Amino acid sequence: ELKVEQNPLFLSMQEGKNYTIYCNYSTTSDRLYWYRQDPGKSLESLFVLLSNGAVKQEGRLMASLDTKARLSTLHITAAVHDLSATYFCAVDPTDSWGKLQFGAGTQVVVTP
Amino acid sequence: DGGITQSPKYLFRKEGQNVTLSCEQNLNHDAMYWYRQDPGQGLRLIYYSQIVNDFQKGDIAEGYSVSREKKESFPLTVTSAQKNPTAFYLCASLNTGTGNTIYFGEGSWLTVV
Repeated sequence: ELKVEQNPLFLSMQEGKNYTIYCNYSTTSDRLYWYRQDPGKSLESLFVLLSNGAVKQEGRLMASLDTKARLSTLHITAAVHDLSATYFCAVDPTDSWGKLQFGAGTQVVVTP
Repeated sequence: DGGITQSPKYLFRKEGQNVTLSCEQNLNHDAMYWYRQDPGQGLRLIYYSQIVNDFQKGDIAEGYSVSREKKESFPLTVTSAQKNPTAFYLCASLNTGTGNTIYFGEGSWLTVV
């Protein structure tokens, strides 16, 4: 059974500082997704990572994928209040393509 | 505009009732999904369909049923067998072409009264 573990589950950030969220998964996959969710809302796609070594950046967020280590990271540079949300990673396993599994989410709160 | 439409946004169910959540997409995507999210939790897969007239159970399919008679539609029925249905339900579809992207609907809140 595929397990997707995110850590930390809660992250209190100070504005202007850098932080990293980790996503570990237990089976072979080269497709990983990052999402953002605001309270009471649906999920917003942030990044799609489709190969080993993939790195994508958008604004203050950068995501990377290491399929050999089964690890993805979401790096936040110089946090700002607008980044307060819950962030999810999701993995599409190679042996059951299409059966996406989500991590538990990382709740991010950015304070001055 | 292309996208995924879920309805209703809010739904109340009485004990013993079946209710159906609608999900329609005009993105021409082959794969569609239903997820359940409980407060403060991640998403759990209920059912998914990769092609018309075919669907597979996810991790928590008990008490739910689906159909996929048309490419653009993937309704979810929450049956009376689902003992704790109060949750946020999200429908999604996947573009299986280059640069896979998963699109989510706005979600449906189901409450048992």
